[in-house]
Amino acid sequence: AQKVTQAQTEISVVEKEDVTLDCVYETRDTTYYLFWYKQPPSGELVFLIRRNSFDEQNEISGRYSWNFQKSTSSFNFTITASQVVDSAVYFCALSEAGGTYKYIFGTGTRLKVLA
Amino acid sequence: DTEVTQTPKHLVMGMTNKKSLKCEQHMGHRAMYWYKQKAKKPPELMFVYSYEKLSINESVPSRFSPECPNSSLLNLHLHALQPEDSALYLCASSQGGGLGTEAFFGQGTRLTVV
Repeated sequence: AQKVTQAQTEISVVEKEDVTLDCVYETRDTTYYLFWYKQPPSGELVFLIRRNSFDEQNEISGRYSWNFQKSTSSFNFTITASQVVDSAVYFCALSEAGGTYKYIFGTGTRLKVLA
Repeated sequence: DTEVTQTPKHLVMGMTNKKSLKCEQHMGHRAMYWYKQKAKKPPELMFVYSYEKLSINESVPSRFSPECPNSSLLNLHLHALQPEDSALYLCASSQGGGLGTEAFFGQGTRLTVV
């Protein structure tokens, strides 16, 4: 069965600190996709990144970076030099390929960035 | 344009009312979704439409009735809801075709059942 675990329920950091959000997944599929979404207080889930199971390259986008390690089934997300606007709930999600349309979400990590 | 529009943004309804939530996307996506999200919980899948046909119903009570009039529109008809149905209802769309593409979400409808 597929499962996504985000063990960190809530994290508080002071502005400009770096912070890493952990995501561990379980799947029996060899082809799958991983995602990160941001949910600010407004409610909309904002897509941040998609990674397929065959691409283990780390990715950097501005202050955001992602570390995908199949050996540990982890897809961690780091925000460098955090800002107050980064305060939100962050969800990691898993989707299998091949005709299904289910996104399995983790329980989310609430990030509070204090000024 | 990566936008999914949901209306209304807020809705208060009585347990005997009938109301509808609406969702629209113009990205040419062929898969559309309804999710329900309770406070401090992740989104829970309710329904998936693929190429305008209902492909997944996650055992949702019949008081929730989805409808996909065309490839751009998705409705959720509500009837005889219970207070525990109060939640944020999110619509999403994706390219579909089982490609594992990302889903784009609307801002949601915050529903309160009184």
